Amino acid sequence: QKEVEQNSGPLSVPEGAIASLNCTYSDRVSQSFFWYRQYSGKSPELIMSIYSNGDKEDGRFTAQLNKASQYVSLLIRDSQPSDSATYLCAVNKKDTGRRALTFGSGTRLQVQP
Amino acid sequence: DTAVSQTPKYLVTQMGNDKSIKCEQNLGHDTMYWYKQDSKKFLKIMFSYNNKELIINETVPNRFSPKSPDKAHLNLHINSLELGDSAVYFCASSPGTSGARGTDTQYFGPGTRLTVL
Repeated sequence: QKEVEQNSGPLSVPEGAIASLNCTYSDRVSQSFFWYRQYSGKSPELIMSIYSNGDKEDGRFTAQLNKASQYVSLLIRDSQPSDSATYLCAVNKKDTGRRALTFGSGTRLQVQP
Repeated sequence: DTAVSQTPKYLVTQMGNDKSIKCEQNLGHDTMYWYKQDSKKFLKIMFSYNNKELIINETVPNRFSPKSPDKAHLNLHINSLELGDSAVYFCASSPGTSGARGTDTQYFGPGTRLTVL
């Protein structure tokens, strides 16, 4: 079982719709959760971080965390063609000394004009 | 203002050569990382340094040797390059490793695309 799992997609949504991206993780000691966006040929760009159960909103983006289900999601409202990218879920554990992120393989989002 | 920078952006070289990639961050962060992104876009940690001290060394061939002259710089030297080393290498930094919220948020450099022929 992969530590962080994402559906590779592509997830195709029409412009203006809500895009829903999902991620599950295997290690219950995970403490920090991140969503990054990566355009083709570019570096990962931080969208949001979330640490507590529930929802966290930032503009058109909402991250949702459910630690009991080991599940984190990202909702993008009013999707735009410029949102077309690969979205990477990343998880950090709080064990001794380790602060590197474990990434999922990413979900490719296509927003159709 | 470039936060995390890497040089070179592209590196094309022959098998067996030795090459280095440099990374610098001007964010005042204590922790720096090297990640490798393969052709399937999977991003995997290689090394992590906190205040010039190595804290993570994943299962990476010992042909790869990181070096941190100060906490703002982390370089990666690769000996005897192999075809399988072709990938994009990303440097990243985070404020620290204390575990407090936000200290582990990582910011990535633009990447170095390494092609071994």
